[in-house]
Amino acid sequence: AQSVTQLDSQVPVFEEAPVELRCNYSSSVSVYLFWYVQYPNQGLQLLLKYLSGSTLVKGINGFEAEFNKSQTSFHLRKPSVHISDTAEYFCAVSERGNDYKLSFGAGTTVTVRA
Amino acid sequence: SAVISQKPSRDICQRGTSLTIQCQVDSQVTMMFWYRQQPGQSLTLIATANQGSEATYESGFVIDKFPISRPNLTFSTLTVSNMSPEDSSIYLCSAISSESYNEQFFGPGTRLTVL
Repeated sequence: AQSVTQLDSQVPVFEEAPVELRCNYSSSVSVYLFWYVQYPNQGLQLLLKYLSGSTLVKGINGFEAEFNKSQTSFHLRKPSVHISDTAEYFCAVSERGNDYKLSFGAGTTVTVRA
Repeated sequence: SAVISQKPSRDICQRGTSLTIQCQVDSQVTMMFWYRQQPGQSLTLIATANQGSEATYESGFVIDKFPISRPNLTFSTLTVSNMSPEDSSIYLCSAISSESYNEQFFGPGTRLTVL
C-alpha cells in the first residue's frame, strides 16, 4: 500500500520569496503523483501531476515539481510567491493498477506575508 | 475537465440523525469517490462509488454507517447514518472523467457539524 509524508506542516514565507514543499512517498509499485491546493473554505484544485515522462512537471500558478524516483520524492516549488498563494497544499499518490485511489499526505499550510 | 457540485454545502445536524449528501457531475465520468476530511486533517478515502452496484469501502468504513448509491454515471449520494459529533467533517466527492485520464476532480465539499 502507498503512503505519503509531507515533511513540513507549516511554511511561513514572505511575499516574492521562493518556497519549497517537501513530499516523500512509499510504494512497492509504480505511482502517479499529484499536488492539490485547497484555499480557505474551498474544495481541492489540482496544481500539477506526474504520470510519466519528464521528471520536471509544470503546473498552474507558476508551480512546478520534480519527481525523483531514487529518493521517492515529489517536491513542489515556486520561485516567487504571492499573498494569494496562502493555502493548504496536499501531496497525493496513486498506485498504478489500484483503481486510481488517492492517498493524501497530511498537508502543508503555506502562509504568505507581505 | 469535470465540474462537480455537492448539496448541501453545509449542515448542522443533531446526533442520532442521518444526512444524505448529493454529488452531481456535469459530464460522464468513469469513477466516483467519497472522501472525508476531519477538522485540521488530510483527506481519507471512504469508498469508491460503483455504478449500479454496491460501493467498495476502504478499511474502517462500513456500508451501514456510510451507505452510498450511484444510480448513473454522473450522480452519487453518500449518507452519514446515526451521526455522532465524531462525524463532524468535510465530505468531498471526486470523479475521474473519461477524457482526463487519471486526474481526479473534486467537489467543493459538504461541511457537516454534528451537535
